Amino acid sequence: DAGVIQSPRHEVTEMGQEVTLRCKPISGHNSLFWYRQTMMRGLELLIYFNNNVPIDDSGMPEDRFSAKMPNASFSTLKIQPSEPRDSAVYFCASSQTVTGNTIYFGEGSWLTVV
Amino acid sequence: AQSVTQLDSQVPVFEEAPVELRCNYSSSVSVYLFWYVQYPNQGLQLLLKYLSGSTLVKGINGFEAEFNKSQTSFHLRKPSVHISDTAEYFCAVRGGSYIPTFGRGTSLIVHP
Repeated sequence: DAGVIQSPRHEVTEMGQEVTLRCKPISGHNSLFWYRQTMMRGLELLIYFNNNVPIDDSGMPEDRFSAKMPNASFSTLKIQPSEPRDSAVYFCASSQTVTGNTIYFGEGSWLTVV
Repeated sequence: AQSVTQLDSQVPVFEEAPVELRCNYSSSVSVYLFWYVQYPNQGLQLLLKYLSGSTLVKGINGFEAEFNKSQTSFHLRKPSVHISDTAEYFCAVRGGSYIPTFGRGTSLIVHP
């Protein structure tokens, strides 16, 4: 079975540029999560979708960050404009909407903003 | 509200020695508890989970964890570690909300 698929795996971009990260959740999963991982802050939840609807975006750091889920099989996380402090690993994860169900993570998108 | 505390940021251990990674949680409702492992340059993958029933849960790669409700703990153990167990380990709690809360992680370093 295909797991959560993220692209790109690695991105290096210049400060001020727009960055778009993409995610394809596991088929049949109706919950989708975007996380950011840094050494300083650990694993942070940015936003959570249920049935394609954003439920909790309180973790989105500022207006430069936006996320969409136009359908059940695709989501994007966009940073515009990017800044060096956005450098991190961004994970997408999905699960079925049952509290005890496992969350499955993608391999991550490694973003470096120079 | 729910929270997770991983008491050790780093645990060094020699190969074939036993190890325990500690996790404490707080929640106002019944919880489901998870341990994930992250190998270098990879995503997180599930080691084991506690939903209900037996408080001793067995997972992959010889790991096990014990749910202790009175102490609000979910410590991860392995009787004999291998070099390949070197990784970051995350404890997570999922309670009334569908949103899990992760700990800061514990780096397990296995020395030969």
